[in-house]
Amino acid sequence: NAGVTQTPKFQVLKTGQSMTLQCAQDMNHNSMYWYRQDPGMGLRLIYYSASEGTTDKGEVPNGYNVSRLNKREFSLRLESAAPSQTSVYFCASSERGGLYGYTFGSGTRLTVV
Amino acid sequence: GQQLNQSPQSMFIQEGEDVSMNCTSSSIFNTWLWYKQDPGEGPVLLIALYKAGELTSNGRLTAQFGITRKDSFLNISASIPSDVGIYFCAGQLGDKIIFGKGTRLHILP
Repeated sequence: NAGVTQTPKFQVLKTGQSMTLQCAQDMNHNSMYWYRQDPGMGLRLIYYSASEGTTDKGEVPNGYNVSRLNKREFSLRLESAAPSQTSVYFCASSERGGLYGYTFGSGTRLTVV
Repeated sequence: GQQLNQSPQSMFIQEGEDVSMNCTSSSIFNTWLWYKQDPGEGPVLLIALYKAGELTSNGRLTAQFGITRKDSFLNISASIPSDVGIYFCAGQLGDKIIFGKGTRLHILP
């Protein structure tokens, strides 16, 4: 089925470890986004990529890096994980900058101990 | 930064009741969107609104884009058990979408 695929679905890290969350979309969308969701905080934008080759910071970029590998793939990297980064991470994609809304992946639940 | 105030935070209703939730902002948006998130899944778009004053329905769901472009509401009629979840409003300006903090809907049997 067409959509946004995120891997892994679950991950436990120790403080200081690094990891990369993967995201791929097969809808030929130009724009891709990474959000984190915490209880009572809604969805907060970490980074986004309006088009292949560009990335920009969102509301909460500290502690994260991103790579727009190609039009399909947008990865999120935690270089040195901290307990404050325990969250559910969602990748999303859209055409025309989100004019018709975003399509979200099913999320990665990350726990940092 | 821009913020959306979504209310209520949570609702407990009886099956069959109608539901109403809303979002307000100090900023003007070009587009208002309503999403639903089921447990363990990502949000799914329910309704998109593009013009001030626009009223749009999707089955039992109805949403309106406020005249001032600073608010929107979502109504659900005759709620059923599968309506349980978190509902998010979102406002779009330029290439960014700002999300509200969500309304968690609980349905009592």
